[in-house]
Amino acid sequence: DIQMTQSPSSLSASIGDRVTITCRASENIYKYLSWYQQKPGEAPKLLIYAASTLQTGVPSRFSGSGSGTDFTLTITSLQPEDFATYSCQQSYFAPITFGGGTRVESK
Amino acid sequence: EVQLVESGGGLVQPGGSLRLSCAASGFTFNNYAMKWVRQAPGKGLEWVSSITSRGTHKYYADSMKGRFTISRDNAKNSLYLEMSSLSAEDTAFYYCARDAGGTNSLDFCDYWGLGTRVTVSS
Repeated sequence: DIQMTQSPSSLSASIGDRVTITCRASENIYKYLSWYQQKPGEAPKLLIYAASTLQTGVPSRFSGSGSGTDFTLTITSLQPEDFATYSCQQSYFAPITFGGGTRVESK
Repeated sequence: EVQLVESGGGLVQPGGSLRLSCAASGFTFNNYAMKWVRQAPGKGLEWVSSITSRGTHKYYADSMKGRFTISRDNAKNSLYLEMSSLSAEDTAFYYCARDAGGTNSLDFCDYWGLGTRVTVSS
């Protein structure tokens, strides 16, 4: 199975900070990469698919980049509602696999 | 509004069985492939199983093959997961999720439910 490695596993940030989360695939997955946001007690939410396409309704402060094996999720100006756990997922190889998650906490 | 509501979770003894349900609303259910994804305590998300829009094709993670059965009833807008021979390793939140590709699976999910908790313990 394809291993998806996220870093860091957690980070502390302040409102207004630029936050960058990295996801690395163990093999080339081209641009078959999605990002999800999870908050306690809420359903996971799709943020980005195809590595860089913003899902409808997602604020433009979220962006994704990368292809091949290295991908990045960026939040340009962290907002209070962005404290959550973020996970990447590859959909090029079966079975689909997820990263371990990155928890974004308040500094 | 798309809604996915899971039910059926609970405490079950090792070796036991459980049937999870997912009630879908707000979209044309039979136009979408569906998935079950789980998350063990403190762990990342893990794909469990997928089913095509008409239920013709079913797919399972290796560790679930032979123990879990996915099904759907398009007349009832419902997705199911029958789980048997459960062990502590199956303890997790189980999420129902809609494949973003509709009938042509894209293998990522645009809507998820809140999940239902399954605890396997004696």
